[in-house]
Amino acid sequence: DIQMTQSPSTLSASVGDRVTITCRASQSVSIWLAWYQQKPGKAPKLLIYDASSLESGVSSRFSGSGSETDFTLTISSLQPDDFATYYCQQYNSYSGTFGQGTKVEIK
Amino acid sequence: QVQLVESGGGVVQPGKSLRLSCEVSGFTFRSYSMHWVRQAPGKGLEWLAVMSSDGSHTFLADSVKGRFTISRDNSKNTLHLQLNSLTEEDTAFYYCARERPYSSVFDYWGQGTLVTVSS
Repeated sequence: DIQMTQSPSTLSASVGDRVTITCRASQSVSIWLAWYQQKPGKAPKLLIYDASSLESGVSSRFSGSGSETDFTLTISSLQPDDFATYYCQQYNSYSGTFGQGTKVEIK
Repeated sequence: QVQLVESGGGVVQPGKSLRLSCEVSGFTFRSYSMHWVRQAPGKGLEWLAVMSSDGSHTFLADSVKGRFTISRDNSKNTLHLQLNSLTEEDTAFYYCARERPYSSVFDYWGQGTLVTVSS
């Protein structure tokens, strides 16, 4: 099975900061990597798919990059609504393995 | 608009069974593969199972293989997850999610249903 590892687990940042979260796959997943945002008590929300494609309706301050095993989610200027937990997910195999999550907290 | 609504969660004793349902609307259910994902309280997301649009293919995570069964009724726009031999480690929110064709990402999710396994 493909394992997904995110870093950091927790990130403290201020409004306006540029934030970067990384995700590493245990084997190549090509570009089949998504990023989701989850807020407490809510279902995950799709932000980025195919490693770098922005989901319709999602702010352009979110961007994704990478391929094969190494991926990055960047928030260009952190806004109050962005404090949440972020998950990467590979969908190269039939199972959609998730990373363990990165919680973005207010500094 | 697209809606996925889970139901069937509750409190159940260890060793017992439960059947979860996910009723969808706003899209052609029979055209989409569907997934179940769970999240233990305060923990991360765990993929559980997928069923193809016509029900001909299913895959389950090793952690639930042999205990959980995924099924669907395309005539009723409903996805099911049968949970057997439950343990306290199965306590979680259970989400259904739609798989986008040709991309395989999970583009719509339900709000989740809570399963609590406790004696």
